[in-house]
Amino acid sequence: DTGVSQDPRHKITKRGQNVTFRCDPISEHNRLYWYRQTLGQGPEFLTYFQNEAQLEKSRLLSDRFSAERPKGSFSTLEIQRTEQGDSAMYLCASSYNRVRGYNEQFFGPGTRLTVL
Amino acid sequence: EDQVTQSPEALRLQEGESSSLNCSYTVSGLRGLFWYRQDPGKGPEFLFTLYSAGEEKEKERLKATLTKKESFLHITAPKPEDSATYLCAVQARRTALIFGKGTTLSVSS
Repeated sequence: DTGVSQDPRHKITKRGQNVTFRCDPISEHNRLYWYRQTLGQGPEFLTYFQNEAQLEKSRLLSDRFSAERPKGSFSTLEIQRTEQGDSAMYLCASSYNRVRGYNEQFFGPGTRLTVL
Repeated sequence: EDQVTQSPEALRLQEGESSSLNCSYTVSGLRGLFWYRQDPGKGPEFLFTLYSAGEEKEKERLKATLTKKESFLHITAPKPEDSATYLCAVQARRTALIFGKGTTLSVSS
């Protein structure tokens, strides 16, 4: 399978705990994105990387959220001191940045986070 | 502010009953419009990219079209396996996609 993979698929945690999610993009893609999706809503952008550089962060990404892509390959998203409002599906996507044209983003299966 | 609105929120069709889903957008400098399909509990699956007004793309029973203000996803003779949420997204000046809330399609046999 050469698609985007995410781990874990499901995470249940207690309020106040820290959680970390991993995303492995499609191998030749140099851009990696994190989105969050709640029930009945479309995905909302959190942040993206080009290679190892984090180029943009949304206002949704509070100080409790941190993302890394240390070697320009896989990425991790950490949420510290989780709150019940953090319960959502966390989606990772990747794309290949072309100089011309457009960059379709391909999504992984998501990590479903439930904060009790 | 860049915005994407999809209608209807939900659509129920009988197998073989063709229809259209609408995606209207307000963005500065549209760079691309994307359609995705999402099944419950899964990530969005890429369907189409449209770049400029007048463009059309087809895949099996689906056809996407684009004007300067909206896009349509036409579903011809749908089957139960076409049941899913269809998401529309735009890419403007920023790299991030801006999504609508989606249209949930149910096709019954």
